[in-house]
Amino acid sequence: EVQLVESGGDLVQPGGSLRLSCAASGFSFSSYGINWVRQAPGKGLEWVAYISGSSANRYYADSVQGRFTISRDNAKNSLYLQMNSLRAEDTAVYYCARRGGVMETITTRFFDLWGRGTLVTVSP
Amino acid sequence: EIVMTQSPATLSVSPGERATLSCRASQNIGTNLAWYQQKPGQSPGLLIYGAFTRATGIPARFSGSGSGTEFTLTISSLQSEDFAIYYCQQFDKWPPGTFGQGTKVEIK
Repeated sequence: EVQLVESGGDLVQPGGSLRLSCAASGFSFSSYGINWVRQAPGKGLEWVAYISGSSANRYYADSVQGRFTISRDNAKNSLYLQMNSLRAEDTAVYYCARRGGVMETITTRFFDLWGRGTLVTVSP
Repeated sequence: EIVMTQSPATLSVSPGERATLSCRASQNIGTNLAWYQQKPGQSPGLLIYGAFTRATGIPARFSGSGSGTEFTLTISSLQSEDFAIYYCQQFDKWPPGTFGQGTKVEIK
């Protein structure tokens, strides 16, 4: 089955750190760029970060730049998000989402496969 | 950053009726737009990409149109499983791939 499964969400104190994981199966993981997208409780969607299939390109939202690091291990079909200096406003469900095609072109920048998400709560 | 504005915020529709959702971009994005559906308690799922191309397995009652700054998602005859929140997303100027705030389609 083609799927993405997130894990690692937890309750963490402000200023703390957390590492999220996303396990991929059923497709050629190394061929696809993958994103992290988050959704605060009762709110809309916010793109967080992207990493290309080879890890050559990485991009971050301004709101997490310098605090979050995206990485991947293609041998393990896994994606990660290291989150440091966490703030209350980082509280959200975090989804991993696959790029819409293997080619790194404008037309494939949408997200065609989403995981179920993992909840991160930042609170004292 | 491109701002995406969806309207209305909530749309009340009876089953079997047509629903028309709008999405406006603050700049010209060509046809680099996607629509997603999110049902309660679930993750989003891709409906439409490239403004009008249905994703795999999406029924023909869903259609997308528009280009430039004005886009529309039409559901021709609402089924019970279509009541959800719908998000548009631009991917022309990326990063970031900005989303609209969503339109909730509820049962009238």
